[in-house]
Parts: sequence; C-alpha cells; structure tokens
Amino acid sequence: DTGVSQDPRHKITKRGQNVTFRCDPISEHNRLYWYRQTLGQGPEFLTYFQNEAQLEKSRLLSDRFSAERPKGSFSTLEIQRTEQGDSAMYLCASSPTGSSTTTQYFGPGTRLLVL
Amino acid sequence: DAKTTQPPSMDCAEGRAANLPCNHSTISGNEYVYWYRQIHSQGPQYIIHGLKNNETNEMASLIITEDRKSSTLILPHATLRDTAVYYCIVRVERHDYKLSFGAGTTVTVRA
Repeated sequence: DTGVSQDPRHKITKRGQNVTFRCDPISEHNRLYWYRQTLGQGPEFLTYFQNEAQLEKSRLLSDRFSAERPKGSFSTLEIQRTEQGDSAMYLCASSPTGSSTTTQYFGPGTRLLVL
Repeated sequence: DAKTTQPPSMDCAEGRAANLPCNHSTISGNEYVYWYRQIHSQGPQYIIHGLKNNETNEMASLIITEDRKSSTLILPHATLRDTAVYYCIVRVERHDYKLSFGAGTTVTVRA
C-alpha cells in the first residue's frame, strides 16, 4: 500500500511531556498538511508544507507546536509540554501539484491522549 | 464561517440509494464542491468533487443544481461499509489549500 502513513497510531502521555508524530506522504506528493480532530468535530487545519517550506500555519498552532519537513519528504509534528486539551486525533494528508486537481489524501491519524 | 450546511444525521436501508444533501448558497463561481467521508477511527477518504457539471465515479454520483447553491451526493447501493460521517466542502481549486470541514452528516446504513 502506498498511501499516507502515520506513526504512531496511538499515543498516551502524561501532561507536561513532549510528543512527536511522524507522517510519510504518498511518494512524490510535494504538498503535506496537518489537521487536528477532536471528538465529534470535523478535522481542523493546522499547517501546510510545499516541499520543505512551511507556507501556512493556523492560529490553532500555538507556540508549543512545531512542524518540520526537512527534506521535503516525511514530516514531524512535535507538541511540547502537552496539555489535556491537546488530546485529539492528528491527521496528515498529502497532495500532488501540477495536476488538474489538488485532492488531499489522508493518513489513518495518530490518536493522542494526554492524562 | 461555515460555507456549507448539511443535516446532522440520516439513516439509509442497505441496498437502497442514499441521497445526501448539502446547501452552499454563498458558493463563488470558482469554488468546487468536494465530498469526503470518514469511517469511524480512520482518516477522511476522498469521494468526488465537481464544479458545475454532474460527476460520477466508482464510489458515488454528485448532482449540482444549476444555480450551484446546493448539491446531492448519491451512493447508488448503500452497504453497511458506507456507514460514516460525510463532509461536503467548498474550496477554490489550487488556491484554497486547506480543507474546511464542518460537522458533516452521520450516515447510518441499516440492514
């Protein structure tokens, strides 16, 4: 399967700890997106990369959040000093450029629980 | 600033067509209508999108009204595996990079 993959699928941590999630996009997709989804809500946009450049960040992305895509392939999302309100599903998506459609393809998500 | 309105939930009988409505009365001329669905505990899955013509693929059909203020997603023969939350999204192709999901419609297919 060559879809978007995310690791880990589940993470339980204690408040105040740092966590890092990884996303591997579909090969040759140069756009990569992070979303967050809380229970009962639709996904909310967090940030977006084109290749290694982070082009847009939502105001939801507080100073405790940082995302990187150092070589324009996989991406990491780090949350420092986690809070209980960070508990959510973190979704990654990727899309190609240069085609007639910019359909985003999503990974399975990383479910975070902060105790 | 929700751009679409969908019913919160609907039931459908297995084997019957499921017609999912979406209102987007403020849609602009260059905005596409996208449909995604999300099966429990999975990431959203792309279904179909269109601008003004009706579209069909192996998953569904999309019917857009002539004034483009509303659309209907049709699942021709619903199965239990189609039970999911369905999201209708409008976006400008190539420029509006982020997808703005609303609450969607929770579709339950019953045997």
